Amino acid sequence: NAGVMQNPRHLVRRRGQEARLRCSPMKGHSHVYWYRQLPEEGLKFMVYLQKENIIDESGMPKERFSAEFPKEGPSILRIQQVVRGDSAAYFCASSPTGTENYEQYFGPGTRLTVT
Amino acid sequence: GNSVTQMEGPVTLSEEAFLTINCTYTATGYPSLFWYVQYPGEGLQLLLKATKADDKGSNKGFEATYRKETTSFHLEKGSVQVSDSAVYFCALTRETSGSRLTFGEGTQLTVNP
Repeated sequence: NAGVMQNPRHLVRRRGQEARLRCSPMKGHSHVYWYRQLPEEGLKFMVYLQKENIIDESGMPKERFSAEFPKEGPSILRIQQVVRGDSAAYFCASSPTGTENYEQYFGPGTRLTVT
Repeated sequence: GNSVTQMEGPVTLSEEAFLTINCTYTATGYPSLFWYVQYPGEGLQLLLKATKADDKGSNKGFEATYRKETTSFHLEKGSVQVSDSAVYFCALTRETSGSRLTFGEGTQLTVNP
């Protein structure tokens, strides 16, 4: 059973460009979470999605950031007009349900560098 | 709101030394508690968990006990190995927070031979 897959693993963007980060959850998992890890900091929750629904986006910056998890295909985290402060590691996690007793399985992360 | 506080790092130990990484939390009710480990360049892996008071999570020689009275979940290992060098994150989740994880800042552990 393949784990959570994220691509690309490394992404370099110039200021003002768009960044698209992809996450394919584990087979059978319908819940996806996105977290951001800024340099020298812990992970911070961004958004929680189920198929075709955003359940909780309270951790998402109000502007430039959006996320989706379509019926078919991977979950996408999109950052428009990137700035240097967006440089971070972005981790996706998936779980089979949203209940707290189920482990979240993490992908290897996408390391975004904004130049 | 929910929060997790870990002891500040980095922590440097010699092989076979005893390890303790402190973790305390603030949350209403009864959260589930976790320790995750992150090896260089990789994502997080669940190390152990406990879902109710007095539960002890254990895995690969690591242990942590859910202490409701002290709101703590300290990570311990009796004899560390060089391969245990990694960043360790304490985390919690509450059903009312939609199962999202709240993480501590992480503790970098380096074990020297």
